[in-house]
Amino acid sequence: NAGVTQTPKFRILKIGQSMTLQCTQDMNHNYMYWYRQDPGMGLKLIYYSVGAGITDKGEVPNGYNVSRSTTEDFPLRLELAAPSQTSVYFCASSSRTGQFFGPGTRLTVL
Amino acid sequence: AQTVTQSQPEMSVQEAETVTLSCTYDTSESNYYLFWYKQPPSRQMILVIRQEAYKQQNATENRFSVNFQKAAKSFSLKISDSQLGDTAMYFCAFSSGGSQGNLIFGKGTKLSVKP
Repeated sequence: NAGVTQTPKFRILKIGQSMTLQCTQDMNHNYMYWYRQDPGMGLKLIYYSVGAGITDKGEVPNGYNVSRSTTEDFPLRLELAAPSQTSVYFCASSSRTGQFFGPGTRLTVL
Repeated sequence: AQTVTQSQPEMSVQEAETVTLSCTYDTSESNYYLFWYKQPPSRQMILVIRQEAYKQQNATENRFSVNFQKAAKSFSLKISDSQLGDTAMYFCAFSSGGSQGNLIFGKGTKLSVKP
């Protein structure tokens, strides 16, 4: 049982490039989330999903897109990367106990 | 809008001693959940403990316990018998959408446990 896995662990992008952050969970959780963590701050919600085919915006969705075609996968797409998107990105899934996080992706946009 | 405030940016404690981290929150909801997460230098977010607002009894998990004061909107974390492995950032988080609802985080408290 791997829990929540994220790839890649690190990535450097140039301004204007695009990329997809991958997230997979093997716990059969319906709820999944994407957060970003800026230096010295707590996590802020980007997008979330309550099940396959259903997604909704969180607090900071601008510049991102998501899809949820399966229960296991919840990829986050960055279009036209900007320096303001430099951050650590966490994917999470939840049970009734609480949310369980992946190891994070550190993204730098130069 | 709900907010979570952690007023202690940094704290330190001697190994084997007890330390309390503070958290206050603001909400008009009557039913919600509160959590403490630990983030060690590895960056992994680890759920430490959770509290359901409708439960008056304070949650405990081994050396970790909370003091939940609903009227005061306060939710502090007590770590007993501190260990070097407790060194980490600690985040308080709030959810009004049930235990699986979206989390609102505080800015965190950096705890250092000294030998």
